[in-house]
Amino acid sequence: EIVLTQSPDFQSVTPKEKVTITCRASQSIGSRLHWYQQKPDQSPKLLIKYASQSISGVPSRFSGSGSGTDFTLTINSLEAEDAATYYCHQSSSLRLMTFGQGTKVEIK
Amino acid sequence: QVQLQESGPGLVKPSETLSLTCTVSGGSFNSYFWSWIRQPPGKGLDWIGYVYYSGSTNYNPSLQSRVTVSVDTSKNQFSLKLSSVTAADTAVYYCAGATKYCGGGNCSPGYFEYWGQGTLVTVSS
Repeated sequence: EIVLTQSPDFQSVTPKEKVTITCRASQSIGSRLHWYQQKPDQSPKLLIKYASQSISGVPSRFSGSGSGTDFTLTINSLEAEDAATYYCHQSSSLRLMTFGQGTKVEIK
Repeated sequence: QVQLQESGPGLVKPSETLSLTCTVSGGSFNSYFWSWIRQPPGKGLDWIGYVYYSGSTNYNPSLQSRVTVSVDTSKNQFSLKLSSVTAADTAVYYCAGATKYCGGGNCSPGYFEYWGQGTLVTVSS
């Protein structure tokens, strides 16, 4: 099983601040790492695919980087509407797709 | 635009079988790997399994002995059955569509592009 470990688990941030969330895989997964945003009582929404590829309709302040085992989601100039829990997800293992435990971002 | 809608009972008794159906509309049913994902209250996301339109399946090993995911292409639907449920199976259940990632003549699931709104299933007597 490929374990994804996100850090931090929780982050309290002021608007316009930069947010960085990391996701570390227990073994190399190439670029098969994706990021989702989940707001309370909503289903997850795709933010970034294949580590760094942007998604149509997602604000440009969201970006991703990394490959192998270490990945980063960056939110430049945080806005109030970005309060949510963020999950990474790997699709490298054909046997078992896994998610990170989530990072909750709170607006101060 | 692809839309997914879960349906099924919101309350299931312990030891019985949880059954949910996801209806897909607005897209090509053959273009995705159709998955079930669950989220216990206040916790993270757990992948349960997927089915391809051909009927091929893959399940989370931790649930494999209790789970069946099937597809009905005539109705653009896929279904989840989880047997012998306990309180630990209480969760919001999402259906989702994963894109295809193809290479070397084989295709496997990629990212989850589409999600249903989710349905809460409570296991309680």
